[in-house]
Amino acid sequence: GNSVTQMEGPVTLSEEAFLTINCTYTATGYPSLFWYVQYPGEGLQLLLKATKADDKGSNKGFEATYRKETTSFHLEKGSVQVSDSAVYFCALNSGGYQKVTFGIGTKLQVIP
Amino acid sequence: EAEVAQSPRYKITEKSQAVAFWCDPISGHATLYWYRQILGQGPELLVQFQDESVVDDSQLPKDRFSAERLKGVDSTLKIQPAELGDSAMYLCASGGADSYNEQFFGPGTRLTVL
Repeated sequence: GNSVTQMEGPVTLSEEAFLTINCTYTATGYPSLFWYVQYPGEGLQLLLKATKADDKGSNKGFEATYRKETTSFHLEKGSVQVSDSAVYFCALNSGGYQKVTFGIGTKLQVIP
Repeated sequence: EAEVAQSPRYKITEKSQAVAFWCDPISGHATLYWYRQILGQGPELLVQFQDESVVDDSQLPKDRFSAERLKGVDSTLKIQPAELGDSAMYLCASGGADSYNEQFFGPGTRLTVL
């Protein structure tokens, strides 16, 4: 079956530091890949997505590239802010009924 | 901007009681999902609807959980009787008809079973 593996957190960074959150996946076929963000007490929000190999998703300074050869979709940001503190979920979507598989989430804490 | 609505936002109940959660998806979204998210973990799919039909309920504990979407619009998830281990966030999401579209999540219902 499908699976998503994320690096475990928490990740603590100083403001303006570089962020990488690793994500690898196992899936049949050619899934779409997503990063969702969850702020405290809220539901999940889509951060970015990529639907085919070599696509780069980007939003709010975050980027991730769909690497089929390494089955990875690592999240990066060049300079994090305190407001980026949240839990980040890597996910994949395959199959005709859009079944989504989520990773366990990585908590990011950015300190001033 | 259209949003997924959920109610209540918070629910505290005693074990063995019945609880129900409601979700109203984004208008026009045919697919509706209920997830359970235990603190510190990712969302786990409980049930997925396509219009009014269930397409996946393989992870739904059917002895105590039920879900319906009678008219293919809003949906209700029920737990009866609630157990201590049911304490979690229950998330509803909806999606459009195109393949690989993202899911849009509601704010969730935080359930605490005492």
